[in-house]
Amino acid sequence: GAVVSQHPSWVICKSGTSVKIECRSLDFQATTMFWYRQFPKQSLMLMATSNEGSKATYEQGVEKDKFLINHASLTLSTLTVTSAHPEDSSFYICSATGLAGISTDTQYFGPGTRLTVL
Amino acid sequence: GDSVTQMEGPVTLSEEAFLTINCTYTATGYPSLFWYVQYPGEGLQLLLKATKADDKGSNKGFEATYRKETTSFHLEKGSVQVSDSAVYFCALREAFQKLVFGTGTRLLVSP
Repeated sequence: GAVVSQHPSWVICKSGTSVKIECRSLDFQATTMFWYRQFPKQSLMLMATSNEGSKATYEQGVEKDKFLINHASLTLSTLTVTSAHPEDSSFYICSATGLAGISTDTQYFGPGTRLTVL
Repeated sequence: GDSVTQMEGPVTLSEEAFLTINCTYTATGYPSLFWYVQYPGEGLQLLLKATKADDKGSNKGFEATYRKETTSFHLEKGSVQVSDSAVYFCALREAFQKLVFGTGTRLLVSP
């Protein structure tokens, strides 16, 4: 089946630094990728949707200047947390689909990245 | 807005026990309903789905029936195995809308 990887699986950084998380579709071309955030004992919250070659669409309340998303190719999307602060510490999960839009049933999820900001 | 409520875990069972994980939802329209499973160290995987009332989704011995009258989509399995230990997420999606997840329920199955 389709596989999505994320790198790194965990990262610790100092407050004020920027962190980049990569999401790759390994065996299919991902026209649309999604970035989620998950707090302990809470559900996955969609942060943004990105289509290859175009700007990401952010959910209400998500700061687009803080969470920079780049979907430069059909197999790679990156999430950069800029000037990270402790409240940005969370579990970040990406998913990908090979069909345009969000009406498809089949999203393939990455294993997630644990970010800890000291 | 739309929401999904799952029972809190962890759910701890012995092998071959019967499993039920409750899921109820609130939606303005007629959503599709999903169960995703996340095994340790892996990404979420679609376990089963149902797209309309009274549909039953099934996969790997798991079943869930779309109950519109009770707005529920409970996950069941007749005999769990140690390998079923994972986190299970109930989710819904209305047409052309984003996936809305529950908080997840951890299942621990002991030999």
